[in-house]
Amino acid sequence: GAGVSQSPRYKVAKRGQDVALRCDPISGHVSLFWYQQALGQGPEFLTYFQNEAQLDKSGLPSDRFFAERPEGSVSTLKIQRTQQEDSAVYLCASSVLPGNTIYFGEGSWLTVV
Amino acid sequence: GNSVTQMEGPVTLSEEAFLTINCTYTATGYPSLFWYVQYPGEGLQLLLKATKADDKGSNKGFEATYRKETTSFHLEKGSVQVSDSAVYFCALSSRDNNNDMRFGAGTRLTVKP
Repeated sequence: GAGVSQSPRYKVAKRGQDVALRCDPISGHVSLFWYQQALGQGPEFLTYFQNEAQLDKSGLPSDRFFAERPEGSVSTLKIQRTQQEDSAVYLCASSVLPGNTIYFGEGSWLTVV
Repeated sequence: GNSVTQMEGPVTLSEEAFLTINCTYTATGYPSLFWYVQYPGEGLQLLLKATKADDKGSNKGFEATYRKETTSFHLEKGSVQVSDSAVYFCALSSRDNNNDMRFGAGTRLTVKP
């Protein structure tokens, strides 16, 4: 596709529900990143993939957060047993190679009620 | 670890005023530096970047110079417009950190006619 595509754009989840957020990076991009952006804050790094390898998951806030990119293209961020503090925009980004310009999707807005 | 500190907002200016948003960084090695912009209701967009010391990034009348001696990358524009109203994020990426992007907290700019 022309840009990074994320779905769903908006998700309302009841506390305790599991959610899955999908990211379609720009075709051929090796690097893929997930960020969490709380209201009024800058994006906070969650995890990084190079192709299918998850090279850094140091930003995942708890073991309820899990990300995968099994075939090195589409990625899914899964949040289990959602809590209110998980409410944020989840941004996916990709770059053609490590160190190149990173392009962001428009984000998935998660509200946990 | 790598981090970015930017000027707290909000910043309110009149049209045609001079803009400076300060950004300093802490990083190992030789990071690349970026300014991203987020217009109301839109995703993050790359505004400009610089990949080595003394490089100047520029776009849409905005400029920032990579100053290694002061570890800074301040954003400037000589004459702001109402359409520049947005949130501006300073960011860095480093090969020492898998090239993932680390962001500042953002500075909200409002330009009044």
